Amino acid sequence: RKEVEQDPGPFNVPEGATVAFNCTYSNSASQSFFWYRQDCRKEPKLLMSVYSSGNEDGRFTAQLNRASQYISLLIRDSKLSDSATYLCVTGTGDEKLTFGTGTRLTIIP
Amino acid sequence: GAVVSQHPSWVICKSGTSVKIECRSLDFQATTMFWYRQFPKQSLMLMATSNEGSKATYEQGVEKDKFLINHASLTLSTLTVTSAHPEDSSFYICSATSLEGLYGYTFGSGTRLTVV
Repeated sequence: RKEVEQDPGPFNVPEGATVAFNCTYSNSASQSFFWYRQDCRKEPKLLMSVYSSGNEDGRFTAQLNRASQYISLLIRDSKLSDSATYLCVTGTGDEKLTFGTGTRLTIIP
Repeated sequence: GAVVSQHPSWVICKSGTSVKIECRSLDFQATTMFWYRQFPKQSLMLMATSNEGSKATYEQGVEKDKFLINHASLTLSTLTVTSAHPEDSSFYICSATSLEGLYGYTFGSGTRLTVV
């Protein structure tokens, strides 16, 4: 079983729609949580950290459920530029990050 | 913001040769550098963690004699793929953190290695 599991997609969503991704993690010692985006053949870039209380950054909302070991990302009013692979990432106290395989999103005009 | 410069961006080499990949932190001191490998449609897999001035710690299944990591200064870490084989073809990415943790994880732009 992978340590961080995501639905690989692809998700093909019309521009302006709302889309949600989910992720589950198996390491209960995970202390930090992130969503990264990765464009084709590029390095991952931090989209947002995820906090237990939930947090929002513009059109993006992230939620964390520690009891269920579940992380979500919601994108509202999706733009063409949101097309990318979204990586769910967890971290432990030793600074190591564990990446999910990513969920591929394509926004359709 | 923090920047990590990674070179080369892509490289094609013959089987049996060695390839060196460099990562430099341009405006901060990278006390810890992480090296990842990503195969197509797979997640980034951590290969090793290196701290400046000490030997790298390799993840299980990663051959330390094949993937040589040097972190001799606070701004430079190198990964050398020795005696490369076609199955080593992958996307290699470094990531750095600073002692103060001020910059989080800063990724290099990655190196696409193709071994022919």
